[in-house]
Amino acid sequence: DAGVIQSPRHEVTEMGQEVTLRCKPISGHDYLFWYRQTMMRGLELLIYFNNNVPIDDSGMPEDRFSAKMPNASFSTLKIQPSEPRDSAVYFCASRLYGAGTTDTQYFGPGTRLTVL
Amino acid sequence: QQQVKQSPQSLIVQKGGISIINCAYENTAFDYFPWYQQFPGKGPALLIAIRPDVSEKKEGRFTISFNKSAKQFSLHIMDSQPGDSATYFCAASIGSSNYQLIWGAGTKLIIKP
Repeated sequence: DAGVIQSPRHEVTEMGQEVTLRCKPISGHDYLFWYRQTMMRGLELLIYFNNNVPIDDSGMPEDRFSAKMPNASFSTLKIQPSEPRDSAVYFCASRLYGAGTTDTQYFGPGTRLTVL
Repeated sequence: QQQVKQSPQSLIVQKGGISIINCAYENTAFDYFPWYQQFPGKGPALLIAIRPDVSEKKEGRFTISFNKSAKQFSLHIMDSQPGDSATYFCAASIGSSNYQLIWGAGTKLIIKP
C-alpha cells in the first residue's frame, strides 16, 4: 500500500509567486494534517481535516495560506503571495480514526519550499 | 499547559551506548505519548508509543519509561547504533478521539562509530 504522497518534492520560487503543494493521503484514512517544519520553530500544525472538512486552521500563519480538501484522496496547501519567510519543509500526514486503530499519523516525504 | 518540553536539543553517544531523551508535560489529560523518528529528507515516522496505564514499554532496543506522577516520559535506546542517528520527537495527545498531537522540539541524536 502506498504511503502518503506529496508533490512536488522540491519547489523554488520567487517572492510574490503563488505556490501550491499537493498531498494524497493513505486510502481510507479520514484525517489529514498539514505541518510546517523549520529549524527555528520545529514542527508546527497548520491545519487538519476530518472527512474532507477543515476542523482547525488556527495554525495557519496568515491569510496568505489556504488549504482545501475537495475529496478524500487529495488536498492542497496554497500560499499566495509567497514570502522568503515561508521557506520550510511542508509535510502532509494522514490518520485513520476508529475502533481497533492506533493514533498513528503517517507522514509524507515532505515538500521543501524555498522562496527567493 | 499544552506544551511538551523535550531535552536535550542534541545528543552525541558512542556506538553501543545508551541514548536517553526526556520529555515533560503539564496537561494531566494527555493519555497518549508517542515517539517519532525522523531521518534527513524524510517525514517523521512512529517509533514507539505508550499510554499512561503502564510505566514502561519496550520494543527491541527502544524503551519508553513513563512517570505519571512526575509528568515525564523518556526514550531509551540501548546498544545505540550509527543507524539510529536521526531526530527524535516526543508528542502527546488527549484521548483516542483527539486529532492533534502536541509536539516536543526534537532531539538530534548522533551515534559515533
